[in-house]
Amino acid sequence: EPEVTQTPSHQVTQMGQEVILRCVPISNHLYFYWYRQILGQKVEFLVSFYNNEISEKSEIFDDQFSVERPDGSNFTLKIRSTKLEDSAMYFCASGRGEVTEAFFGQGTRLTVV
Amino acid sequence: AQSVTQLDSQVPVFEEAPVELRCNYSSSVSVYLFWYVQYPNQGLQLLLKYLSGSTLVKGINGFEAEFNKSQTSFHLRKPSVHISDTAEYFCAVSDRTGANNLFFGTGTRLTVIP
Repeated sequence: EPEVTQTPSHQVTQMGQEVILRCVPISNHLYFYWYRQILGQKVEFLVSFYNNEISEKSEIFDDQFSVERPDGSNFTLKIRSTKLEDSAMYFCASGRGEVTEAFFGQGTRLTVV
Repeated sequence: AQSVTQLDSQVPVFEEAPVELRCNYSSSVSVYLFWYVQYPNQGLQLLLKYLSGSTLVKGINGFEAEFNKSQTSFHLRKPSVHISDTAEYFCAVSDRTGANNLFFGTGTRLTVIP
């Protein structure tokens, strides 16, 4: 069964460093998403991406964040200068339609020290 | 804007007993409703969804949920739980008007006791 894969599973980075979280969505999906879950809190929407551009983003997704689909298969989330409060589990998701089932990856746990 | 409330942060239940996990939402527009499950060290997996039609929705692993518009609820139920149902359960809503992101509740930790 096709699945969304995320790498790495866990990343530790120093405050102020740039990180890139990688995701390989399901191949025939057209909509891509990033969510995050700070420990003990709810899963929060960050951004959605369709047709090679951002279709919607939340207040969390400020200028420090960017997304890219560089090669037609990968979908990346970049945080330019990480802060301690960026520590969270980051989930990538993809879907066939605008509001249909979103398939989630296993997540990348980002720890900023 | 939408919001989701899951009143129970933890629900312990004995094996083979029934369970109900509560979810209430608020929205100024019509919504789609979802339940996701997160097993330890895994991603979010869709259990079931309500888009339209019958208000009683059946999902995987024997779970079902009922959409109640007047009470703005979408409670998840299972008549007999198994040890393997131990997981975190998230209720989520999505705006029908075109927004394609999900608003999640804080989750309910279901622990099945042998």
